[in-house]
Amino acid sequence: LAKTTQPISMDSYEGQEVNITCSHNNIATNDYITWYQQFPSQGPRFIIQGYKTKVTNEVASLFIPADRKSSTLSLPRVSLSDTAVYYCLVGGSQGNLIFGKGTKLSVKP
Amino acid sequence: EAGVAQSPRYKIIEKRQSVAFWCNPISGHATLYWYQQILGQGPKLLIQFQNNGVVDDSQLPKDRFSAERLKGVDSTLKIQPAKLEDSAVYLCASSSRQGDEQYFGPGTRLTVT
Repeated sequence: LAKTTQPISMDSYEGQEVNITCSHNNIATNDYITWYQQFPSQGPRFIIQGYKTKVTNEVASLFIPADRKSSTLSLPRVSLSDTAVYYCLVGGSQGNLIFGKGTKLSVKP
Repeated sequence: EAGVAQSPRYKIIEKRQSVAFWCNPISGHATLYWYQQILGQGPKLLIQFQNNGVVDDSQLPKDRFSAERLKGVDSTLKIQPAKLEDSAVYLCASSSRQGDEQYFGPGTRLTVT
């Protein structure tokens, strides 16, 4: 199973760009990388998913280098409402889904 | 579109008792997941179903946990007998197919005393 490592916490200010990196050294060939956001007392919510290179949607970008041993979630211009725990999830279509321990992002005014 | 439904939302039991959780996924979603989330940790996959078949149950403590999805729609997760370390939030999620975006329910918070 692919083990993932993320920073425990990060601080930022409103309007800044935040980059959260996840390490997954033994990612398998058919594993995807997915990022989720979780607020207290709620289930995780999907942010973005990718396999390689760069993926962008309306809320975030995901950068995956060629060796796929890490990935970086980029949140542009964060606001107070982005304060949450962010998880990277590595796994494929055959299960083997592993969540990281999460990065607690605190956005300050 | 209705989301993933779970019940109960909260449950308190004594150790050695049994408990069951229910999940109704989003209509049409073939893949269903049960996760255990201990306070301060990321969710841990317990079992993944594709329709009514098991894809991955490698982290399910099979001596005390069981899960079924008999008709390929809703699912139940059972713990018998419960231990103190089973205190956690049990999350159910579904996706249209394996590997796709997962939609999570609100979870069931279990306290074992």
